[in-house]
Amino acid sequence: DAKTTQPTSMDCAEGRAANLPCNHSTISGNEYVYWYRQIHSQGPQYIIHGLKNNETNEMASLIITEDRKSSTLILPHATLRDTAVYYCIVRGSGGSNYKLTFGKGTLLTVNP
Amino acid sequence: NAGVTQTPKFQVLKTGQSMTLQCAQDMNHEYMSWYRQDPGMGLRLIHYSVGAGITDQGEVPNGYNVSRSTTEDFPLRLLSAAPSQTSVYFCASKNQNYGYTFGSGTRLTVV
Repeated sequence: DAKTTQPTSMDCAEGRAANLPCNHSTISGNEYVYWYRQIHSQGPQYIIHGLKNNETNEMASLIITEDRKSSTLILPHATLRDTAVYYCIVRGSGGSNYKLTFGKGTLLTVNP
Repeated sequence: NAGVTQTPKFQVLKTGQSMTLQCAQDMNHEYMSWYRQDPGMGLRLIHYSVGAGITDQGEVPNGYNVSRSTTEDFPLRLLSAAPSQTSVYFCASKNQNYGYTFGSGTRLTVV
């Protein structure tokens, strides 16, 4: 699996966009980028995933660089409820994609 | 859909006792996994299953058994509880092309 690097922590003001970076310079061609978050004491929550095109859903946008060596998760209008640990995970497709390896993630704190 | 349901939510065991953590999903997902999370650490994979009758070991399988007799259920058995197994346990399920849905966790203390 490709290794990912994320900042340990970030702050964001409520109502502003939160941009969470992730480096995955050893990603291979068939590996997807997944984002999950974990709000304190709860189970992780799937946010979004992508291969090489930018993706958007009701929760967030995922921007993947053209060389796929890094990506950014964007929460367009952060709220206090978005305070959580955000995990960037790189996984292959097909039979290997069910095994997620969680790092320590980024603790995002949204401030009033 | 109830999603992924884990029971119990809290449990205290004595060293050497055995117990089963239950996990059920009603989304007809093929893949199911068990993770443990220790304070200040990320989640570590214990066991996983790619379908009924098929299970395999993850990163930290020692001291745990699993079985998958139905698509819906994936119980985790602690054979002889040890204090090192004090942790929060999460069960998760997914289909092939989507992300995992996690349960709310079982908080286990072994004394």
